[in-house]
Amino acid sequence: GAGVSQSPSNKVTEKGKDVELRCDPISGHTALYWYRQRLGQGLEFLIYFQGNSAPDKSGLPSDRFSAERTGESVSTLTIQRTQQEDSAVYLCASSRGVGGSQPQHFGDGTRLSIL
Amino acid sequence: QKEVEQNSGPLSVPEGAIASLNCTYSDRGSQSFFWYRQYSGKSPELIMSIYSNGDKEDGRFTAQLNKASQYVSLLIRDSQPSDSATYLCAVWRQKVTFGTGTKLQVIP
Repeated sequence: GAGVSQSPSNKVTEKGKDVELRCDPISGHTALYWYRQRLGQGLEFLIYFQGNSAPDKSGLPSDRFSAERTGESVSTLTIQRTQQEDSAVYLCASSRGVGGSQPQHFGDGTRLSIL
Repeated sequence: QKEVEQNSGPLSVPEGAIASLNCTYSDRGSQSFFWYRQYSGKSPELIMSIYSNGDKEDGRFTAQLNKASQYVSLLIRDSQPSDSATYLCAVWRQKVTFGTGTKLQVIP
């Protein structure tokens, strides 16, 4: 596609429910990143994929968070048993590779609100 | 010490002036440097990338890199109200690390 596509754009759910966020990267981009951004805060790295592998999961806040990527394309970020502190914008980015010369291109994000 | 540091601002400049945004980083081996602009409620968009010491110009934007001093800056000439946004510095060595951003306000 022309850009990174994320869905849904907005998600409101009750505390304790599971949510699944989707990211469709730019075609041909092998690297994919997930970030969390709380209101008025900076980007918080969660996880990245090179192909379908996730070499760095160090940013996942807890075992309620998981992510997968298939076909070196779409990725899903799953949050189980959501808590109010999970409310944030979840941003996905992709790049041609993980090499230093490859800038990341961001999607519009999913705004998650936990009631 | 944070890996990538930016003054959170806000930095206020009058329309038409030069805005200077600064970023310092702790890893001396960092190799690639990026500036992103993020409007309120929007996602970050890439403005500039710079990889070697010196200046790189693109329109009204100039990125400056000094690896010896471990800082990278972004100059915006002839600042416009539409430049009002948060500017994120990102640094790469094995992985990308983002600063928390500097909020720029251009006053008409």
